[in-house]
Amino acid sequence: QSALTQPASVSGSPGQSITISCTAASSVGESYTLVSWYQQHTGKAPKLIIYEGTKRPSGLSDRFSGSTSANTASLTISGLQAEDEADYFCCSFVTRSAFNVAFGGGTRLTVL
Amino acid sequence: QVQLQESGPGLVEPSGTLSLTCAVFGGSVSSHNWWSWVRQSPGKGLEWLGEIHPSGNINLHPSLKSRLTFSLDKSRNEFSLRLKSVIAADTAVYYCARDIRSCNGGVCSETFDVWGQGTMVSVSS
Repeated sequence: QSALTQPASVSGSPGQSITISCTAASSVGESYTLVSWYQQHTGKAPKLIIYEGTKRPSGLSDRFSGSTSANTASLTISGLQAEDEADYFCCSFVTRSAFNVAFGGGTRLTVL
Repeated sequence: QVQLQESGPGLVEPSGTLSLTCAVFGGSVSSHNWWSWVRQSPGKGLEWLGEIHPSGNINLHPSLKSRLTFSLDKSRNEFSLRLKSVIAADTAVYYCARDIRSCNGGVCSETFDVWGQGTMVSVSS
């Protein structure tokens, strides 16, 4: 069982809002409430967009927001723009495991 | 502003050793952060390989622990990865990243706030 499970793909039209879920296995413990999220455009390095569950790095658009509830973390992107088309990964410390860090499998966002 | 730069050979023969270095610019590798390596196989997701702290603590992914070695050189302000006995499945883009961990009562946040640009390593003869 993967520590963090994401949907493989989501899509939305420009101007709409989408939400990407990240479901944590029990091994993650309560650390799922402090997940980080990364945006990765094709051929580029990942970029931090949400940390500690809900916080945005300085200078990042407020169209990106994070939330957590009942072993699931979520990333919401509002006012979709073409430039948001990318892969998105969640990441968490894993409390009860032989390894400390896990990434979700990634979600491809397509802007229609 | 901290920047990271990976370097190393782009091609390694099967059963050989993959060696990469990550140079730290605009900051010190001796700062109280973890420094991690993450890889991404072609068309796949991100895989955390492990982390090293300037205190000397190291945590490695269990499936790679027997083949992985991490080191940190404070004088050169860099950290390194060595992966021995490589196979085709080790072909990937390898990223180094600064890893900020904050724990409170067993609940920890994990934040990779600075990433290198990544270096592609192919395992092939």
